[in-house]
Amino acid sequence: EAEVAQSPRYKITEKSQAVAFWCDPISGHATLYWYRQILGQGPELLVQFQDESVVDDSQLPKDRFSAERLKGVDSTLKIQPAELGDSAMYLCASSLGARGGNEQFFGPGTRLTVL
Amino acid sequence: AQSVTQLGSHVSVSEGALVLLRCNYSSSVPPYLFWYVQYPNQGLQLLLKYTSAATLVKGINDFEAEFKKSETSFHLTKPSAHMSDAAEYFCAVRGGAGGTSYGKLTFGQGTILTVHP
Repeated sequence: EAEVAQSPRYKITEKSQAVAFWCDPISGHATLYWYRQILGQGPELLVQFQDESVVDDSQLPKDRFSAERLKGVDSTLKIQPAELGDSAMYLCASSLGARGGNEQFFGPGTRLTVL
Repeated sequence: AQSVTQLGSHVSVSEGALVLLRCNYSSSVPPYLFWYVQYPNQGLQLLLKYTSAATLVKGINDFEAEFKKSETSFHLTKPSAHMSDAAEYFCAVRGGAGGTSYGKLTFGQGTILTVHP
């Protein structure tokens, strides 16, 4: 069964350092999402791609976060510099399209700890 | 704007008992509604979804949910809890066409389900 792949699964870094997360969506899925999930809360959308284009990054802290999906397939989310408050689970999801009924399939996530 | 409220951050049941997890939503357009389950340090898995077809939706592992427009609710139930159901459950709403939140998935805060033997 096709799955969304993410790496690394766990990342520990010190504040002010740069970190990057990678996501490989299910083949053929045009829409890719990055979510941040703070412990004890539901996931919050950071950025949504349709193919290689960003369609929603309204909640992305653009002074330190960046995301790209250059060829419309895999994607990278970067944080520079990391802050203590960035400690969270970063989830990637993909779907066939952005239409409301399309299911989003989630990867296992990257657990980030900033010291 | 769309939002989701899950009533009760923790629910505890005995094995074999009824599971009821409550979810109320707010949406300016007819919504799509989802229930996801998350096990520790894992991603989210879809349990079921409502897409304006039948109001009673059946999902995996004997879970089901009923869409009640008049109550703006989408509560999740399971007749008989199993130990393996212990996890965190998230209700989510996704705006339909015509709304400013089209395509965006908004999650509730989650409900942790504990199952006692």
